[in-house]
Amino acid sequence: NAGVTQTPKFRVLKTGQSMTLLCAQDMNHEYMYWYRQDPGMGLRLIHYSVGEGTTAKGEVPDGYNVSRLKKQNFLLGLESAAPSQTSVYFCASSYRPRGLRPAGQPQHFGDGTRLSIL
Amino acid sequence: RKEVEQDPGPFNVPEGATVAFNCTYSNSASQSFFWYRQDCRKEPKLLMSVYSSGNEDGRFTAQLNRASQYISLLIRDSKLSDSATYLCVVNPAASGTYKYIFGTGTRLKVLA
Repeated sequence: NAGVTQTPKFRVLKTGQSMTLLCAQDMNHEYMYWYRQDPGMGLRLIHYSVGEGTTAKGEVPDGYNVSRLKKQNFLLGLESAAPSQTSVYFCASSYRPRGLRPAGQPQHFGDGTRLSIL
Repeated sequence: RKEVEQDPGPFNVPEGATVAFNCTYSNSASQSFFWYRQDCRKEPKLLMSVYSSGNEDGRFTAQLNRASQYISLLIRDSKLSDSATYLCVVNPAASGTYKYIFGTGTRLKVLA
């Protein structure tokens, strides 16, 4: 059981280049999230999705786009990379609360993508 | 006041010691609480979930105090491998179940 898988693990880009980060989960989770983590700061939500075909902005969405065409995949795109987007990016997923499951299911994280923009 | 606050530490403790961290939250409607550990530059890993008064898993105990709006994590018989940053995460139900508020973490160093 792979859990949450992120690709690539590392990437170096030049300013202005574009790229897509892929997140795949095999736990049949409804919710998926993209976070960034910078030194001395907590995890900040970029975008999230509560189901296939739906996405929404988080706390720091500028400069990023996302898509969720399939339930198991959540893509994060950088259209024109900037040095301020140098960060570690984490994808996470969780169940949607329903039935006997209490509200707020724990998130499961991928092992991160380390992105440097020169 | 921040939505979720943690003492950044570091907490330096000898092996075998008992150590406790607190995490305060501002939204009294919060229903779900989580402790994660994060090793340097790696992904957060779930330590335990807390939905009622508390939870225990081996050497780790989490206690929830709704009246004072804090959750604590107690680690007994500390091991060198417990050295990490511990993240407190709160799910404020009033804001929708998708939202998770992360503390900035408490750093623990267990010394030989």
